Amino acid sequence: DQQVKQNSPSLSVQEGRISILNCDYTNSMFDYFLWYKKYPAEGPTFLISISSIKDKNEDGRFTVFLNKSAKHLSLHIVPSQPGDSAVYFCAASATGGSQGNLIFGKGTKLSVKP
Amino acid sequence: EAQVTQNPRYLITVTGKKLTVTCSQNMNHEYMSWYRQDPGLGLRQIYYSMNVEVTDKGDVPEGYKVSRKEKRNFPLILESPSPNQTSLYFCASMDREGYEQYFGPGTRLTVT
Repeated sequence: DQQVKQNSPSLSVQEGRISILNCDYTNSMFDYFLWYKKYPAEGPTFLISISSIKDKNEDGRFTVFLNKSAKHLSLHIVPSQPGDSAVYFCAASATGGSQGNLIFGKGTKLSVKP
Repeated sequence: EAQVTQNPRYLITVTGKKLTVTCSQNMNHEYMSWYRQDPGLGLRQIYYSMNVEVTDKGDVPEGYKVSRKEKRNFPLILESPSPNQTSLYFCASMDREGYEQYFGPGTRLTVT
């Protein structure tokens, strides 16, 4: 069973508009969430994270929202740029478990069209 | 430059021929991990290590071995590779105090 779900395999957005990538989780023990970005032929790179004690974290054009009651988080990219085209992975961790034992979703491929 | 390196980047081998994929990090991180990425399955953890001589199984450890004799190195060993181990492999490291993992560039392995 998937503990971290990214139900949209792909998303296409026009340059300058908002991109919203969604992630759902089932394990209520998860208390730290991360988003990674991956370009082809490269390893994933860390983008932004959020602790369960917060409901929002912002870093420039990237904002992550966490809704604990719904076990849902989302990544907003505003404005979207062609360079944002990549696969985005949502990941979750439970501090009570093995630190660093990240559970990843399957990823969402974002295409930002000029 | 802080980085995680993996070698080789590409490898084609035959069933049953033992191989090792090396991973090294220069950030003095305690934690290191191996993942595999497969189409439609995302990133799945194979093994991880919290420190030297401390390793533990991830979600898909079958068919793999690891060792952590030095802090900077965390090799992945396939004693008898099989075609279902054809995949893209990533090594990652992390500081004990953080959650952000730094990934290597990946090793594409094909087992025929």
